[in-house]
Amino acid sequence: NAGVMQNPRHLVRRRGQEARLRCSPMKGHSHVYWYRQLPEEGLKFMVYLQKENIIDESGMPKERFSAEFPKEGPSILRIQQVVRGDSAAYFCASSYAGRGNTEAFFGQGTRLTVV
Amino acid sequence: GESVGLHLPTLSVQEGDNSIINCAYSNSASDYFIWYKQESGKGPQFIIDIRSNMDKRQGQRVTVLLNKTVKHLSLQIAATQPGDSAVYFCAENLKTGNQFYFGTGTSLTVIP
Repeated sequence: NAGVMQNPRHLVRRRGQEARLRCSPMKGHSHVYWYRQLPEEGLKFMVYLQKENIIDESGMPKERFSAEFPKEGPSILRIQQVVRGDSAAYFCASSYAGRGNTEAFFGQGTRLTVV
Repeated sequence: GESVGLHLPTLSVQEGDNSIINCAYSNSASDYFIWYKQESGKGPQFIIDIRSNMDKRQGQRVTVLLNKTVKHLSLQIAATQPGDSAVYFCAENLKTGNQFYFGTGTSLTVIP
């Protein structure tokens, strides 16, 4: 059973371009979480999705950021018109249960660098 | 608690000593907690979890203690090894949802 897969591992974008980060959850997992991490800092919650639904996007910036988790395919975190401040590591986690409170497994992250 | 934009607290221990890493969580409605370990350049890795109906849980070389009265969580690592050097995060999970909120983290350095 493959773990949470994120790609690309490293992404370089020029200011104003779009960044697309992909996350394939563990097999059987229908809950996906995205987190952002700046160097030397903790993980900051961005968004929580279940298949085809955004459950909690309280941590997402109101502009330029969007996330989806379609019925088929990976979850996508999309950042439009990137700025230098978007440079960070973006981690995706997935979990199985709805209300059962089970552990979330993390991917290796995508390191976005905006130049 | 939810992570804030602060530099990580650090803890240095001698190899073979025991380590204690602390975490204060913010929401009294949280009923499930996890400790994660994050090595440089990698994603967080599950270490141990505990539910709110327990106050202690032991794993291999690790023990988690939960004090709901003061909303405090601790991770004890016995006989700390160089491979334990990493950043350690606690995460809380609210019963009413499934989002995990992370503490700021503690950077553990093991001195050989």
